[in-house]
Amino acid sequence: GAVVSQHPSWVICKSGTSVKIECRSLDFQATTMFWYRQFPKQSLMLMATSNEGSKATYEQGVEKDKFLINHASLTLSTLTVTSAHPEDSSFYICSANRGVTGELFFGEGSRLTVL
Amino acid sequence: ELKVEQNPLFLSMQEGKNYTIYCNYSTTSDRLYWYRQDPGKSLESLFVLLSNGAVKQEGRLMASLDTKARLSTLHITAAVHDLSATYFCAVDMGDDKIIFGKGTRLHILP
Repeated sequence: GAVVSQHPSWVICKSGTSVKIECRSLDFQATTMFWYRQFPKQSLMLMATSNEGSKATYEQGVEKDKFLINHASLTLSTLTVTSAHPEDSSFYICSANRGVTGELFFGEGSRLTVL
Repeated sequence: ELKVEQNPLFLSMQEGKNYTIYCNYSTTSDRLYWYRQDPGKSLESLFVLLSNGAVKQEGRLMASLDTKARLSTLHITAAVHDLSATYFCAVDMGDDKIIFGKGTRLHILP
C-alpha cells in the first residue's frame, strides 16, 4: 500500500485564492520531504526540500513567498500555493525517504487547476 | 550542476521486441532510480541501483548501473502493451535530493 499520501488529489480554484496541499508519510517518520512540480508531458522539477522543524530549502527560480512550505511534524509537510494564478496550474508531487531501503517514495500527486 | 539525460525521449515499438533506454548523468552519484509513470498518475518505483555493476530485474524489465561510465540502462525484453508508460531515471545528488531525466515515453504497439 501507499507509504506517502497526498491530499487533495484534485483541486480547482479561482485565481487569487490560496490552496494547501498535504503530504503525509503513513507508517514512518520523514525529517525531509521533497516537493516536485510537473507540467504536462514534461519531467519532474524539484521545487524545494521540506525540513522538519526548520525552513524549507528552495531551488533556484522558485518563489518562496509564492509556494509556502511547512513541515510541522515528522509525518506531515504542506505546500501552500498563495494567490494562485492560471500559470500555477500543474501536477504537484511530494516524496519522502523511508530510510531503511534508501528508496524514495512518491505521493499520488495533486492536480491543481486555477481558473 | 548535475544533468541527467535520457534517450530516446520517445519510443514506439512492437510487442515482442527488445529495447533499451539509456540514462547518462554528468557528476558522481552513488544512487540511481528508475520510475514508471502512467498518464495522470504519480510515480511508481521500479528499481533502486546502489553500486557499480548493480543489475536488477523484475519481470520483463532489467536495469543496470555503471558508475564509472555514469550510465544506467533499462532493458525491456519481449515488450507487451501493458508496459506502455513514461519511464524516468533519476539520480541522487546527495541528501536524497534527486534530479530527473526528461523521461522516455514508451508506446508499445500490439
